[in-house]
Amino acid sequence: DTAVSQTPKYLVTQMGNDKSIKCEQNLGHDTMYWYKQDSKKFLKIMFSYNNKELIINETVPNRFSPKSPDKAHLNLHINSLELGDSAVYFCASSQEFGGGLQETQYFGPGTRLLVL
Amino acid sequence: RKEVEQDPGPFNVPEGATVAFNCTYSNSASQSFFWYRQDCRKEPKLLMSVYSSGNEDGRFTAQLNRASQYISLLIRDSKLSDSATYLCVVRIGYGGATNKLIFGTGTLLAVQP
Repeated sequence: DTAVSQTPKYLVTQMGNDKSIKCEQNLGHDTMYWYKQDSKKFLKIMFSYNNKELIINETVPNRFSPKSPDKAHLNLHINSLELGDSAVYFCASSQEFGGGLQETQYFGPGTRLLVL
Repeated sequence: RKEVEQDPGPFNVPEGATVAFNCTYSNSASQSFFWYRQDCRKEPKLLMSVYSSGNEDGRFTAQLNRASQYISLLIRDSKLSDSATYLCVVRIGYGGATNKLIFGTGTLLAVQP
């Protein structure tokens, strides 16, 4: 029944490592997103994809590379992890209806990343 | 200056109280407006959209003033279960997947028994 799921839920790793976070949505939505929520709880968009195509890239360091194998999946790979990457990463999805209708974004449960 | 500004709180109120949160946004191209709710260590969830004419959903009333670029949320008869962080959110973009949500830093509400 889970609409947007992420794995892993927790990730503790050393600086310099490479790690991936996976996201899947079963809502049939066309658009998926990655957000980062820092220690001050500020939630900021990183990327959006529509039908596997990158649409938004919010000047995120190129150590972060999203990949969308199909429209139901959007994974986030992070190279050379840094202390400042410690945060909660949320995946989300939405369906744009057009015509000015306001779509809702559905968020996954988050992945808590701690870089030591 | 942040694109969406909120008073971080915390707002500590007794059960049954009425509480109001305010939010201002700086981008005049903002198209849509929302209030999201985020419980501790959980994901944000949509509470309600905010329409130009104002709208109500049970104990929750949202107002939008485009001229002043101001959004508000009123919660009447607060319940313990209302304790959460309330995120003011605006949507900007050029349509379709170019749209993005800009989140405020949230206002923490703690309803006391």
